[in-house]
Amino acid sequence: GENVEQHPSTLSVQEGDSAVIKCTYSDSASNYFPWYKQELGKGPQLIIDIRSNVGEKKDQRIAVTLNKTAKHFSLHITETQPEDSAVYFCAEYSGAGSYQLTFGKGTKLSVIP
Amino acid sequence: DGGITQSPKYLFRKEGQNVTLSCEQNLNHDAMYWYRQDPGQGLRLIYYSQIVNDFQKGDIAEGYSVSREKKESFPLTVTSAQKNPTAFYLCASSKQGQGAGYGYTFGSGTRLTVV
Repeated sequence: GENVEQHPSTLSVQEGDSAVIKCTYSDSASNYFPWYKQELGKGPQLIIDIRSNVGEKKDQRIAVTLNKTAKHFSLHITETQPEDSAVYFCAEYSGAGSYQLTFGKGTKLSVIP
Repeated sequence: DGGITQSPKYLFRKEGQNVTLSCEQNLNHDAMYWYRQDPGQGLRLIYYSQIVNDFQKGDIAEGYSVSREKKESFPLTVTSAQKNPTAFYLCASSKQGQGAGYGYTFGSGTRLTVV
């Protein structure tokens, strides 16, 4: 079945540094990879996503890269700010599976001022 | 503006009591989902529905029940059979691609506490 491994589970960076979170998946039919940000006490919000026909996508300070051969995708946050502190979840969708997203277990990012 | 609304934000349940959590969306999404989140944990799927009048069990359905009588609404009942219901409950909705994935839109959550 589908499986997504997310690393690291916690990440602390100094303000202004970059943060990278990586997820690996097992299903070669996976074709959609969103990332969510969850602030304390709130629901997750979609921050960026990528489809399997694209290798990289950027939106201001955040970017997602996809390596289909190695079956991993990563979230990159540059010039981190204290408001980036949150839990980040990756997810993958397999068009040949249950037609649902499978979520990683989350990464708690702390940006130290 | 379109969105997904969960209510109430906080809910207290006495032992042996059933409670119902509301989830309404006006995004015209076909699929809806319920997740449970425990402190410091990820998202665990309780139930999902891909079409009106149909729903499937997720990974932790025991002690919960749902209905999907309208496209916009997907209420979750936490029954007395759920022995450890204290958690943060999240509802989500999405387009239904069946081949092409779409992102989920999440509600703001309901925090349920047993008293």
